[in-house]
Amino acid sequence: DAGVIQSPRHEVTEMGQEVTLRCKPISGHNSLFWYRQTMMRGLELLIYFNNNVPIDDSGMPEDRFSAKMPNASFSTLKIQPSEPRDSAVYFCASSKLVAGGQETQYFGPGTRLLVL
Amino acid sequence: SQQGEEDPQALSIQEGENATMNCSYKTSINNLQWYRQNSGRGLVHLILIRSNEREKHSGRLRVTLDTSKKSSSLLITASRAADTASYFCATAVIQGAQKLVFGQGTRLTINP
Repeated sequence: DAGVIQSPRHEVTEMGQEVTLRCKPISGHNSLFWYRQTMMRGLELLIYFNNNVPIDDSGMPEDRFSAKMPNASFSTLKIQPSEPRDSAVYFCASSKLVAGGQETQYFGPGTRLLVL
Repeated sequence: SQQGEEDPQALSIQEGENATMNCSYKTSINNLQWYRQNSGRGLVHLILIRSNEREKHSGRLRVTLDTSKKSSSLLITASRAADTASYFCATAVIQGAQKLVFGQGTRLTINP
């Protein structure tokens, strides 16, 4: 298996531009997570999906952020308009949700975003 | 405040020594997991210990869990330079058990 695939790996954009991050989870996994990591705030959960349905988006910083999962093999995280404070590494992770709780999560390599 | 908090925040030891990292949490859990992150990479799962387990081993890794104290420890024996990384604990809380809550991590440096 190729693991979780994220694209692009690096993104440099100017303030005000739209940014779209993409994720392909591991085949057969039914949970997908978007995280953001910065030195100041550490690893933050932004949103997660179970069976393509958003379950908890309380970590999404504000309305400029949106996420979709149109099918089991693809998800996007969009920032519009982007701001310098959005600069971070964004990780996608997937897992199998089983009865009784969350099992191992498999992380993608991340997208390093720099907003100028 | 964080559900999982690692201690220490940074640890520097000589190659061959043992490294111990601790994690404390606040609410009841279903399981606790440890992950490693090499610089510039995604997190990699190391080991999962369930709430009814007290100790688990995997190669040079030993994890303990004390649910009465709400704490866990990760021991890496005979450390190697390649063990240099950040280590995170993550808890699967019983309420809302569909997500993991990560701590801030311990930055481990192994000096050759």
